[in-house]
Amino acid sequence: QSALAQPASVSGSPGQSITISCTGTSSDVGTYNYVCWYQQHPGKAPKLMIYDVSNRPSGVSNRFSGSKSGNTASLTISGLQAEDEADYYCSSYTSSNSYVFGTGTKVTVL
Amino acid sequence: QVQLVQSGAEVKKPGASVKVSCTASGYTFTTYYIHWVRQAPGQGLQWMGMINPNGGSTNYPQNLQGRVSMTSDTSTSTVYMELTSPTSDDTAVYYCARERHATFWFDPWGQGTLVTVSS
Repeated sequence: QSALAQPASVSGSPGQSITISCTGTSSDVGTYNYVCWYQQHPGKAPKLMIYDVSNRPSGVSNRFSGSKSGNTASLTISGLQAEDEADYYCSSYTSSNSYVFGTGTKVTVL
Repeated sequence: QVQLVQSGAEVKKPGASVKVSCTASGYTFTTYYIHWVRQAPGQGLQWMGMINPNGGSTNYPQNLQGRVSMTSDTSTSTVYMELTSPTSDDTAVYYCARERHATFWFDPWGQGTLVTVSS
């Protein structure tokens, strides 16, 4: 199972919006609405930010939103803040009854 | 509060199996699956498999079949992940994470356990 494709890095200024893409196949992202996004700060465990493509867990800022079109899912961070600087990983359930993660995107707040 | 607490860092020689534990608290242990995910230094996340503590059924990815084994002890709310015949490529931080049955998302995650395989 190949990793889902994400851009290596995305940057933006405070207050701006950025979008991270996550491209899979018809065996994962394209078929299942079980796409999640995780935030990981250096040296820390991942934290769930979005589940089921576009749902936010309790306690996650509404500045984070998710969507999907075809084989590509996206995470948008609006009103970028310094604390959003972290690595972000997408994940999808697959037709092999397994899970695949994205390659990861480093978000830099300029 | 819900917590997953993992065992401490390990240093292993190639070929010697490694076993990491993950102890749950703050919820009913048998109502959630436990998954294991690893992250090699400077790399991304890799799913290693899951166990249903209610009965002990497991699901491993094909690339780790035969090398990984997950077990659970309901008396201590602890899940164990054992990796046999490790090589330097298995050096990574190993995380456990909880999934409510058939929800397909992981939350929360344990703090991670660094496993170093070196001769």
